Amino acid sequence: KNQVEQSPQSLIILEGKNCTLQCNYTVSPFSNLRWYKQDTGRGPVSLTIMTFSENTKSNGRYTATLDADTKQSSLHITASQLSDSASYICVVSAIGNTPLVFGKGTRLSVIA
Amino acid sequence: DTEVTQTPKHLVMGMTNKKSLKCEQHMGHRAMYWYKQKAKKPPELMFVYSYEKLSINESVPSRFSPECPNSSLLNLHLHALQPEDSALYLCASSRQGSHEQYFGPGTRLTVT
Repeated sequence: KNQVEQSPQSLIILEGKNCTLQCNYTVSPFSNLRWYKQDTGRGPVSLTIMTFSENTKSNGRYTATLDADTKQSSLHITASQLSDSASYICVVSAIGNTPLVFGKGTRLSVIA
Repeated sequence: DTEVTQTPKHLVMGMTNKKSLKCEQHMGHRAMYWYKQKAKKPPELMFVYSYEKLSINESVPSRFSPECPNSSLLNLHLHALQPEDSALYLCASSRQGSHEQYFGPGTRLTVT
């Protein structure tokens, strides 16, 4: 069964600190993996998208890594800001016309 | 224009009301999606339209009726909803065959 597991479920960090969110998946055959940021009550916004051949991709203070062999991805946030408080959702696509597989998200709270 | 818009932002309706949610995109995407998202849960796929034709219906109750009048517009007609249908309803679009979906900001629906 295609699944995406994220950890931790929630995380609280101080402003200015770094953090890393984890995503493990069993989706096959793998097409690509995306990290989305979702503010409460708003639609998800794409941060990064990675295909099988990509190991690392950055978008400002966000850096995503992908290990297709172990089927793991991480999202590293550097020098966190209060506005980073949101849910971060890992979404994996399988090759073909199949629905996206969503993780349950990590709820990040950045406090002053 | 790289935006998916949704109206209204908020909607409160009674169980006997009929209302519609609207979604619009002008990116030339030929695949459009409706998702339902409950609090602290990932989005759940409801419907997929491909070239203005319904291609996926994830066993959604008939009180939800989608409509795609043209390639830029997607509606979700609501009738006789239940309180448990209260959720954030997200619209998304993508190029045909692409898994990179662009999400709208959502409509927060409350059924009383």
